[in-house]
Amino acid sequence: AQSVTQLGSHVSVSEGALVLLRCNYSSSVPPYLFWYVQYPNQGLQLLLKYTTGATLVKGINGFEAEFKKSETSFHLTKPSAHMSDAAEYFCAVFDQTGANNLFFGTGTRLTVIP
Amino acid sequence: NAGVTQTPKFRVLKTGQSMTLLCAQDMNHEYMYWYRQDPGMGLRLIHYSVGEGTTAKGEVPDGYNVSRLKKQNFLLGLESAAPSQTSVYFCASSFGNQPQHFGDGTRLSIL
Repeated sequence: AQSVTQLGSHVSVSEGALVLLRCNYSSSVPPYLFWYVQYPNQGLQLLLKYTTGATLVKGINGFEAEFKKSETSFHLTKPSAHMSDAAEYFCAVFDQTGANNLFFGTGTRLTVIP
Repeated sequence: NAGVTQTPKFRVLKTGQSMTLLCAQDMNHEYMYWYRQDPGMGLRLIHYSVGEGTTAKGEVPDGYNVSRLKKQNFLLGLESAAPSQTSVYFCASSFGNQPQHFGDGTRLSIL
């Protein structure tokens, strides 16, 4: 069975500071992992994905995530936060057992302080 | 570039009423999904479809029905709405294990 845990439902950072959003996964097979962002009153937008290959994945808007199998983690980072990064972020693991759906974490709301 | 379009965007129902949420995608995706999003719980899968004419239950299917009569459309029905179904509903579509594309959601309130 696959699942995702996001540590911290709310994270606040100052503008220009490092953003670190934590995600740990559980999967019985090599995982496909995703980060999505949700701006207010909008749907989810794909930030980045890891399937196979390079463990450091770069996404849109300057975000990146590193797949660490030994730690079962897929943390999302951005070197310098911008006001426009304020949103809710969801980590998800792809269900490869047949349904092809995503198991989502409970989300982390990022606040950027001017 | 419409992508995934959900109709309606907002709706208020009374307990016991029925309604249908429509999802349409123009990307020729085989897979379509209905999720509900509740505070502190992320998104949970209600039903999904792996192709025209097929549907299957997800994590929280009770109280909902779905139909996929056309490849581009995926309908979510509430036969007798209950306050516990107050939520934001998202439709998504994809090619197999490729990233899912999401609609902007339907905010549904059941009084």
